[in-house]
Amino acid sequence: GQQLNQSPQSMFIQEGEDVSMNCTSSSIFNTWLWYKQDPGEGPVLLIALYKAGELTSNGRLTAQFGITRKDSFLNISASIPSDVGIYFCAGQLGGAGTALIFGKGTTLSVSS
Amino acid sequence: NAGVTQTPKFRVLKTGQSMTLLCAQDMNHEYMYWYRQDPGMGLRLIHYSVGEGTTAKGEVPDGYNVSRLKKQNFLLGLESAAPSQTSVYFCASGRTNEKLFFGSGTQLSVL
Repeated sequence: GQQLNQSPQSMFIQEGEDVSMNCTSSSIFNTWLWYKQDPGEGPVLLIALYKAGELTSNGRLTAQFGITRKDSFLNISASIPSDVGIYFCAGQLGGAGTALIFGKGTTLSVSS
Repeated sequence: NAGVTQTPKFRVLKTGQSMTLLCAQDMNHEYMYWYRQDPGMGLRLIHYSVGEGTTAKGEVPDGYNVSRLKKQNFLLGLESAAPSQTSVYFCASGRTNEKLFFGSGTQLSVL
């Protein structure tokens, strides 16, 4: 099946550092989304992107829909301990009724 | 606000036993999904539904069955549990098939 390659697999950073992660595919996606999963909980939607080149922010988080429509990026500025968790990218290949495809996640650890 | 509620939260089964996981949402969403999460594998789609009375297979449907008899409920059944089905199961729902709301998960162990 279709695959989203998410990297890095894990990150260990100091509080206050900026973080970058990305998601790539060999297929063209119509929609890119980023979710965060806190330990012991289900994922929660952070940002949704709908157009190539789109740049969207949610507080300290900024995500971009790649120009080629085959990739997306998520940046977190000035990380804090509550940023700890697993970040998933997700993409939609087709239109309504097409299920999301999820990446394998980036596990973020923040030390204070 | 309940959102998406999954029951049970934990369960231990013996190989060959059957069980049903219940997902209930109170947001009047059309779309509902069942995912499983395994270490290093991310979220893999088992089955999904685009409306009451409809179901469709996802990426890893073998060994599972689903039903959506009522719009607010999506049931996931394991007829004969196997150790390979040990996982954390997440239900999700959405008004569209993009912005999903997830439950808090069911941790299932099959011995």
